[in-house]
Amino acid sequence: SQQGEEDPQALSIQEGENATMNCSYKTSINNLQWYRQNSGRGLVHLILIRSNEREKHSGRLRVTLDTSKKSSSLLITASRAADTASYFCATDARDYKLSFGAGTTVTVRA
Amino acid sequence: DVKVTQSSRYLVKRTGEKVFLECVQDMDHENMFWYRQDPGLGLRLIYFSYDVKMKEKGDIPEGYSVSREKKERFSLILESASTNQTSMYLCASGEIQGAKNIQYFGAGTRLSVL
Repeated sequence: SQQGEEDPQALSIQEGENATMNCSYKTSINNLQWYRQNSGRGLVHLILIRSNEREKHSGRLRVTLDTSKKSSSLLITASRAADTASYFCATDARDYKLSFGAGTTVTVRA
Repeated sequence: DVKVTQSSRYLVKRTGEKVFLECVQDMDHENMFWYRQDPGLGLRLIYFSYDVKMKEKGDIPEGYSVSREKKERFSLILESASTNQTSMYLCASGEIQGAKNIQYFGAGTRLSVL
């Protein structure tokens, strides 16, 4: 079942701007992950944040997690054309499986 | 680098045909997964396997079966293809290490059933 839901569904920004997308989920989790999918390709893992962490950074990516609100956000700073992709959050509830949301499509305009 | 290879990028089949989608991973992962991806619906889990010859139903197993005879290979079978199985199919592999359960995806197979 689909646990994570991303918001917004689509986002268009100028190169150099920041992009923020949010994910809400329903049940308790072990960790939350973000993946990127370029058009017509498979998903690539970006970053994982554990349920006992509040913030994590990786390069130009910043992820926050608020377990009390069951929500997470992904911030991409100083966006580039190569960041154009769909971004998915995935929740891990300790049962081998990940539950993916429907994704946020990000378009970075030159 | 982890490599997950799906045998076909594009496939066109006719209604009623038996369809095999093959997936091979080279990282000795225990777990393998099959998803389908449709616009607006995200990824939905069809089947997964946590060991050779083991399989578990995901959220939408109807109309599909799977086979895992060897650790590196996980096949998805559409017993009698129907037009509503036209979709992008994604295979993934992964392993649970401590609190981490990261999945590695193939490039996908876009299947059209006519």
